[in-house]
Amino acid sequence: AQKVTQAQTEISVVEKEDVTLDCVYETRDTTYYLFWYKQPPSGELVFLIRRNSFDEQNEISGRYSWNFQKSTSSFNFTITASQVVDSAVYFCALSEAWIQGAQKLVFGQGTRLTINP
Amino acid sequence: EPEVTQTPSHQVTQMGQEVILRCVPISNHLYFYWYRQILGQKVEFLVSFYNNEISEKSEIFDDQFSVERPDGSNFTLKIRSTKLEDSAMYFCASSDGRSAPLHFGNGTRLTVT
Repeated sequence: AQKVTQAQTEISVVEKEDVTLDCVYETRDTTYYLFWYKQPPSGELVFLIRRNSFDEQNEISGRYSWNFQKSTSSFNFTITASQVVDSAVYFCALSEAWIQGAQKLVFGQGTRLTINP
Repeated sequence: EPEVTQTPSHQVTQMGQEVILRCVPISNHLYFYWYRQILGQKVEFLVSFYNNEISEKSEIFDDQFSVERPDGSNFTLKIRSTKLEDSAMYFCASSDGRSAPLHFGNGTRLTVT
C-alpha cells in the first residue's frame, strides 16, 4: 500500500526565514509521481509541482525548491525567504503508476505553515 | 487561466437528504475526479471517471455515492442519503492526460446536520 507521511504537523517561522517541509513516502511501484499542493486559508488546493520517479533532479522555482531523494524516499520542499502569503497548509501526495485511466493521489496529513511578520 | 469551478461553495443539508454537488471541469480535460477532506484531515480519493465511466473508486465511495457527466460540461457527485459523517469539503478535479497534474476546484463544503 502507498503511504505519505508529513511528520511536521505545524511549523511557525518569522518572515524571511527559510523553511523546509518534509515528506516521506512508501510505495512498491517503480513508476510513480510525487506532488506538492498548497491549501491557503481560502480552502482551494493549488498545484505546485509534480515529479516523476525517474527524475531525481532537484527543481527550483523562484523561492520554492524541491529535493527528491529516492534513496531515502523523501520529497522535501523548501521555501526561501518566506513571506506571510506563504502561510497555508501544504500537502505532499503520491500517485501510483497509471492503472486503467485512474490517477489516484494519496495525500499526506499536511503541514500547516504559519509565517509571522 | 482555465479553472475547475464548483457549486455551491457551501451546502447545508439534513441527515437522510440527497445532495448533488456540481463541478465544471476544465473544458479540454478528459479525466475527472472527486476527493474529499474531512475538516482538519487529509484529502482522500473518492472516485475517478474517464470515458463516461468510473475507472476507480475508493472504499469510501459506497452505494450511497454516484457520479454522472450529464452533458459535455458538468460532472456531478450525488449522495443519496446523507449521514453526519459525510460532512466534509468535497473537491472536484480534472486533468488533460493520463499523467497530467490534477487541477482542483475550490471545493464545496458540505455540512450535514
